Amino acid sequence: KAGVTQTPRYLIKTRGQQVTLSCSPISGHRSVSWYQQTPGQGLQFLFEYFSETQRNKGNFPGRFSGRQFSNSRSEMNVSTLELGDSALYLCASSLVPGQTLSGNTIYFGEGSWLTVV
Amino acid sequence: SQKIEQNSEALNIQEGKTATLTCNYTNYSPAYLQWYRQDPGRGPVFLLLIRENEKEKRKERLKVTFDTTLKQSLFHITASQPADSATYLCALRGNNNDMRFGAGTRLTVKP
Repeated sequence: KAGVTQTPRYLIKTRGQQVTLSCSPISGHRSVSWYQQTPGQGLQFLFEYFSETQRNKGNFPGRFSGRQFSNSRSEMNVSTLELGDSALYLCASSLVPGQTLSGNTIYFGEGSWLTVV
Repeated sequence: SQKIEQNSEALNIQEGKTATLTCNYTNYSPAYLQWYRQDPGRGPVFLLLIRENEKEKRKERLKVTFDTTLKQSLFHITASQPADSATYLCALRGNNNDMRFGAGTRLTVKP
């Protein structure tokens, strides 16, 4: 079955603009989480959605937001872009959120490379 | 505060040798720990999960150990190959139920 699909793969924006990234999870997966990856900070958790509700949020400013639709697809938005927002944004899907006894493997997409100039 | 530390930023070994990567954590009581592989410009790929009641887990040439007393996991790749060159990440669930990753170890296997 198809993996996690992220679009667009690459994009360039200028400071002050806003951007929307899209993620389609693996079929049947209802939990979607977003991560930002930069060389200096590594992989950092942004937020997690399940059944259209945000369940967890990382330590990022309010300029970073997201949502999940009834078909489990998710979008994240970054407003008023700053140079420091340049990063690889990764989406991951899993069957359910949270920690379970059986472990909850998450599957990543290829990411969206955002460059802010 | 919760921390995940992977001992080396980079590790270079000769083909055929065993690579050993370390993941140490503090202020976690994880029910399980995961290891991922990430190639440049790609998303991480899940490799192995080991539970707190498991001492060791194997998958082909990969072996993971988990010592909850030492708060440490070791990740071994035996008979390493140049194709094993990648960054390897360990991951734990944080208190907020978010998946947290170590900074990763970049492994280079030289022919």
